[in-house]
Amino acid sequence: GDSVTQMEGPVTLSEEAFLTINCTYTATGYPSLFWYVQYPGEGLQLLLKATKADDKGSNKGFEATYRKETTSFHLEKGSVQVSDSAVYFCALSASGTYKYIFGTGTRLKVLA
Amino acid sequence: DTGVSQDPRHKITKRGQNVTFRCDPISEHNRLYWYRQTLGQGPEFLTYFQNEAQLEKSRLLSDRFSAERPKGSFSTLEIQRTEQGDSAMYLCASSSGGMESLHFGNGTRLTVT
Repeated sequence: GDSVTQMEGPVTLSEEAFLTINCTYTATGYPSLFWYVQYPGEGLQLLLKATKADDKGSNKGFEATYRKETTSFHLEKGSVQVSDSAVYFCALSASGTYKYIFGTGTRLKVLA
Repeated sequence: DTGVSQDPRHKITKRGQNVTFRCDPISEHNRLYWYRQTLGQGPEFLTYFQNEAQLEKSRLLSDRFSAERPKGSFSTLEIQRTEQGDSAMYLCASSSGGMESLHFGNGTRLTVT
């Protein structure tokens, strides 16, 4: 069945460091891909999305490119801030169904 | 856009009791989803509705769980004869359909003692 695999955390970085959180997926057809973020004490919110191969989603300095050949959607940010500390979830919505499947989440902690 | 609201925020119940949660989606969204999230895990799909029709239900969902969305507006999730393994955060989300993103509520945290 469809699934999402993301790197385990926690990831601890110093402020202004480069961030990569890996995400790979298994799906039939052409899913849409998402990154959601959950800040402490808050609900999940959409960070960015991409709906077809080679699309790049971006928001708040974060980017992810839909790579069909490697079935990946890695999240990157060039310079993290303390306020980026949160749990990040990779997710897909498979074509032909409107069910959204989430990865297990990666906790990011950014130190000042 | 007032967002997705869920009630209650927290629920503590004794094993064997029934509980019901409510979700009010964003008003113009026709799709509504229920997910369950346990510590250290991602949201796990439970069920979803398009308007008032329940289109899919997870095979992992036992018969003790039931959800409704009368009139295609708010939704309720009921768990009968709760078990300690039901302790989790129950999340509601809505979307406008297609491949649009989900908008989540803050969840209802259930603790079964």
